[in-house]
Amino acid sequence: NAGVMQNPRHLVRRRGQEARLRCSPMKGHSHVYWYRQLPEEGLKFMVYLQKENIIDESGMPKERFSAEFPKEGPSILRIQQVVRGDSAAYFCASSSGLAQETQYFGPGTRLLVL
Amino acid sequence: GEDVEQSLFLSVREGDSSVINCTYTDSSSTYLYWYKQEPGAGLQLLTYIFSNMDMKQDQRLTVLLNKKDKHLSLRIADTQTGDSAIYFCAENPGSARQLTFGSGTQLTVLP
Repeated sequence: NAGVMQNPRHLVRRRGQEARLRCSPMKGHSHVYWYRQLPEEGLKFMVYLQKENIIDESGMPKERFSAEFPKEGPSILRIQQVVRGDSAAYFCASSSGLAQETQYFGPGTRLLVL
Repeated sequence: GEDVEQSLFLSVREGDSSVINCTYTDSSSTYLYWYKQEPGAGLQLLTYIFSNMDMKQDQRLTVLLNKKDKHLSLRIADTQTGDSAIYFCAENPGSARQLTFGSGTQLTVLP
């Protein structure tokens, strides 16, 4: 199965700790998008990356959040010094990069900050 | 603006048709999507429609697009209990790659 993979599926952190969320895109895809879903809400765009490049980070909070997509390995969304308001489901999507091409979503990482 | 709006809840009886509505604001959107999310799961792409189309049918699913009113609907024929989920409408504004989602419609199918 070459779908989008995310791990961990569930992550519990205490306030002040760091959270690292990983996303492996679908085979053949080189474009990755991260979205956040707060409870009872729709998904909000955070960041769009290609290999080794951040293309659009207009949805990322200015502090504590960072993302990367290295040449080798998965894309990482990193949240430093987590706060309770960071509790959410974080979804990764991938596409091949063609204009307007469909994005395929992973199962998400549910982050709970205690 | 980039607002996509949906009603929050819809209940139907098994075997009836469901119609989920969505309004969007960005007239430059070239594709509009419907995704399904079951509890605790990710988003499953159901169908999409290109902005130069008025209608698209895919088995039990029919998508209608009214560009003038910026209104999109998803009709599910012969709704089954397995269709109970949250349905998200999303647009892909022409100027950007990312999707803008509505808040989702919780569809409940009653026996």
